[in-house]
Amino acid sequence: GENVEQHPSTLSVQEGDSAVIKCTYSDSASNYFPWYKQELGKRPQLIIDIRSNVGEKKDQRIAVTLNKTAKHFSLHITETQPEDSAVYFCAAYYRTGNQFYFGTGTSLTVIP
Amino acid sequence: NAGVTQTPKFRVLKTGQSMTLLCAQDMNHEYMYWYRQDPGMGLRLIHYSVGEGTTAKGEVPDGYNVSRLKKQNFLLGLESAAPSQTSVYFCASSYWGTGEEQYFGPGTRLTVT
Repeated sequence: GENVEQHPSTLSVQEGDSAVIKCTYSDSASNYFPWYKQELGKRPQLIIDIRSNVGEKKDQRIAVTLNKTAKHFSLHITETQPEDSAVYFCAAYYRTGNQFYFGTGTSLTVIP
Repeated sequence: NAGVTQTPKFRVLKTGQSMTLLCAQDMNHEYMYWYRQDPGMGLRLIHYSVGEGTTAKGEVPDGYNVSRLKKQNFLLGLESAAPSQTSVYFCASSYWGTGEEQYFGPGTRLTVT
């Protein structure tokens, strides 16, 4: 199966600074890596994703990078705003098992 | 479209009681999933289905059963609830499973006393 590790578990940044969250995965067969944002009491919502044939993807202030050799991928949020405060989860799709494996989450706090 | 809905939103059970959680989606998705979310442990897959009439075990299937009699519905059953099953349960669906976006339901908060 797959194992996804996510760091850090908590992250505090000043408004306007950048935030970086890192995940590593164990199975080289994984080919799809989404990132979810979950606000308190709400459902997880996809914010960006990347496939194994791409090294980087950007959407406005959010970017994701993937290093297949090292089996790690990262979420980058620039110019952070208070509304970015939430828990962020990474996930890896384990193709052989038809399953997503999630990281344990990063609680991001943006201090105004 | 309502997307993915879950019933009920909250439930309190006594140890040994049974219940069924209902997930419904109106997006004609083939794949459906049941996850549980516990503090500090992220989302863990309980069971999933790759189409009507099919189910498969996920990472933490013990103590749960599922059924997918209709494409739009995915039921999660607890036959004899235990305090360890206190959690928030999320249903999700995707058009296909092979690396497609999952859409999550609003969640069900279950407490077993």
